[in-house]
Amino acid sequence: RKEVEQDPGPFNVPEGATVAFNCTYSNSASQSFFWYRQDCRKEPKLLMSVYSSGNEDGRFTAQLNRASQYISLLIRDSKLSDSATYLCVVNSRDNYGQNFVFGPGTRLSVLP
Amino acid sequence: DTAVSQTPKYLVTQMGNDKSIKCEQNLGHDTMYWYKQDSKKFLKIMFSYNNKELIINETVPNRFSPKSPDKAHLNLHINSLELGDSAVYFCASSQEPPLLAGALNIQYFGAGTRLSVL
Repeated sequence: RKEVEQDPGPFNVPEGATVAFNCTYSNSASQSFFWYRQDCRKEPKLLMSVYSSGNEDGRFTAQLNRASQYISLLIRDSKLSDSATYLCVVNSRDNYGQNFVFGPGTRLSVLP
Repeated sequence: DTAVSQTPKYLVTQMGNDKSIKCEQNLGHDTMYWYKQDSKKFLKIMFSYNNKELIINETVPNRFSPKSPDKAHLNLHINSLELGDSAVYFCASSQEPPLLAGALNIQYFGAGTRLSVL
């Protein structure tokens, strides 16, 4: 089983739609969680961190379920500019330091 | 100002050559990373350096050698390039531990170096 798995996508949705992405991770000792966004031929950029209580940033809502080792990202009222690949990132710390593991990404295309 | 900068942005070279990619960060972070993103877009960590000490070395061929002259720089040297090395290489940095109690450790990425081996 891969350390971090995501919906394979791609997701093609019309403008204004609500779309949800799922992510699961295998390391129960994981400590912090993030959603990154990567545009075509660009570097990954932090979209939002994911907190245990869930958190919202404008149209974006992230949820974490530690018991199920599951993370989600909800995008409401999709915009054309939301088209990108969304990467789930899980971080753990061991005796050797930080270990960031990226999921394979879910591609989103928002259509006019 | 670019927080994490990599050079060159594009690198086209022949098989068997030796090449280097440079990375610099001006964020004052003490941990830097190299990632490889292949044609399938999967981003995989190669190396991590903390205070000039290698702390992660994934199953990467020893043709790849990271070099950190100081904590603001982490260069990647590749010997005897192979076709399979063609990919985008991203440098990143983070602060470990985070400066603020309870803060999450966030990585910042460079723009990537697109390596094509012919």
